[in-house]
Order: sequence, then structure tokens, then C-alpha cells
Amino acid sequence: NAGVTQTPKFQVLKTGQSMTLQCAQDMNHEYMSWYRQDPGMGLRLIHYSVGAGITDQGEVPNGYNVSRSTTEDFPLRLLSAAPSQTSVYFCASSDPPSGYTFGSGTRLTVV
Amino acid sequence: GEDVEQSLFLSVREGDSSVINCTYTDSSSTYLYWYKQEPGAGLQLLTYIFSNMDMKQDQRLTVLLNKKDKHLSLRIADTQTGDSAIYFCAEGYMEYGNKLVFGAGTILRVKS
Repeated sequence: NAGVTQTPKFQVLKTGQSMTLQCAQDMNHEYMSWYRQDPGMGLRLIHYSVGAGITDQGEVPNGYNVSRSTTEDFPLRLLSAAPSQTSVYFCASSDPPSGYTFGSGTRLTVV
Repeated sequence: GEDVEQSLFLSVREGDSSVINCTYTDSSSTYLYWYKQEPGAGLQLLTYIFSNMDMKQDQRLTVLLNKKDKHLSLRIADTQTGDSAIYFCAEGYMEYGNKLVFGAGTILRVKS
């Protein structure tokens, strides 16, 4: 049972490039979310989904897109990378009320 | 609005109890959570409490919730060096996909 799998673990992008962070879970959870973690700020919600075909914006959605075509996958797309998007990104899935299970994170640097 | 605050740093001696505190402003959350993050790792769910409960105990962990004062605490009994990590409290909102609003985290340092 793999839980929540994120790829890649590390990524360096140039300003203006686009990329997709992959997230997959094998727990059949309906709820999935993307968070970013910046020093001294805790984690902030980017986008979330309550089921296949349903997504909504979180606290800091600008510059990111998501889609949820299957229960298992919830990719996060950076449309045009900016240095302000340098962060650690965590994908998570949830079977409420037991809280979210987090992936191991993707460390993204935009230069 | 939603705001969760934690103290930045706590240092304790091995074998002592640790108490990590959290205050929040929005009382409409459904559940409150404690997560642990070790260096370079993701977040590990430690425990959670329903918002209409006062206390929950789970082995060495005790969670106390004071709804009137909007105060949440996590007590770790017999703290060990392996407990050194960052601890996050978070409010959970079931009606918004169980979204979590996190505090900035408390760094717990356990001295042997």
C-alpha cells in the first residue's frame, strides 16, 4: 500500500517554464489537496478536490491549475513558473474525519 | 477569518512532558488536528479531535480543547529525542473538502 505518491521529488525550472507535479493515491480517498510550504508560514492550500471531476480553489490558487479525471490522480500544473513559486509542494488525500495523508513532497526551485 | 497561531520554539529535556499550544480565531471548524514533520519529510498525522470534544488521549499524547478560549494543546508525556520535530496544529473544515488551515509550526527540541 503506497499511500500518496508524488513525483518528482526535486525540480529546478527557469522562469516562464511550465510543468506538472504528479500525485497519485491508492487508498480510494475522495478528497485530495495540494499545499505549499514556505518557511515560517506553515502550509497553505492551493487547490482541492472532493471527487473526480470536482475541483475548487484554496487560499493561494493563482498561477496553478488542477484537474481530477480519476479518483486516484490529482496533478498540479504550473502555467508559467515564477521565482515566487519556489517552495515545497505537498499533495494529500483524505478519508474524513481522519485527516489528510500527505505525500513526501516536491521541492521546486524557480530560477 | 481563519487564523491559527503557535509559538515558534519549545525546548525540553528528555523524559519531561512537552506542551505545545495553539490558538485559533474561527470556531466553525469541524475537527482540529496535530501533525508532526521531521526534517525533509512530509507531514504525519498524530491525532485529531472533534470540535465538540474537550479532551482526547492516545498513548503518550493528550489533546486538550478549550472552545471558549479557542485554545488547543498537545501534551507529549515522557518526551524522547525522537520526538524532536516541527509540530503543526490545523483546523479542518468538512464543508470545504476537509481543507486544513495550518499554524506556522512549533519546533520541538528535546535535549538528552
